[in-house]
Amino acid sequence: TQLLEQSPQFLSIQEGENLTVYCNSSSVFSSLQWYRQEPGEGPVLLVTVVTGGEVKKLKRLTFQFGDARKDSSLHITAAQTGDTGLYLCAGVFRRAGGTSYGKLTFGQGTILTVHP
Amino acid sequence: EAQVTQNPRYLITVTGKKLTVTCSQNMNHEYMSWYRQDPGLGLRQIYYSMNVEVTDKGDVPEGYKVSRKEKRNFPLILESPSPNQTSLYFCASSHDPGVGEQFFGPGTRLTVL
Repeated sequence: TQLLEQSPQFLSIQEGENLTVYCNSSSVFSSLQWYRQEPGEGPVLLVTVVTGGEVKKLKRLTFQFGDARKDSSLHITAAQTGDTGLYLCAGVFRRAGGTSYGKLTFGQGTILTVHP
Repeated sequence: EAQVTQNPRYLITVTGKKLTVTCSQNMNHEYMSWYRQDPGLGLRQIYYSMNVEVTDKGDVPEGYKVSRKEKRNFPLILESPSPNQTSLYFCASSHDPGVGEQFFGPGTRLTVL
């Protein structure tokens, strides 16, 4: 069973501060996804990273996939109260040959609270 | 509107009473999956299906069954629920979970007494 360690589990910061959430594994992923979840709702995809070393930006959010495809990070610049929520990383494993495997492993999640 | 629907949204039941949680998607997605979410554990995959009549175990399949007779539906069956299956359950669908977005349903809050 592949495991994803996500840290920190809780993060409480002031508006305007920067923060980074980490997602680490001993396994190699074919791709890694970041989701955000609001209370009472299902997760919503933020980004998918596929290539080792890949960096993607979504406004104030920067996502990075490690060179070895075993780790990823989410960095938020100048956090806003609207960033408050649960952030989840999910690793995807793909069969040899390129067809999708379908098994996803999620990290434990990071509960982010941004105070005004 | 493209969506994943789950029913019921809330369910309180007793140990041993069989139940089914339905999941339906209108996006013609091949892939569907069930997860449970518990505090401090994130989402854990129960079962997934790559297409009709093709299902496979996730990380926590014990005590659950699924079927995929039609592309749009993927029900989760608890033959004999136990209190440790009290959880928040999510159904999701995707064209390709590896590179495409998984669309999640609104969740089903299950309590087994």
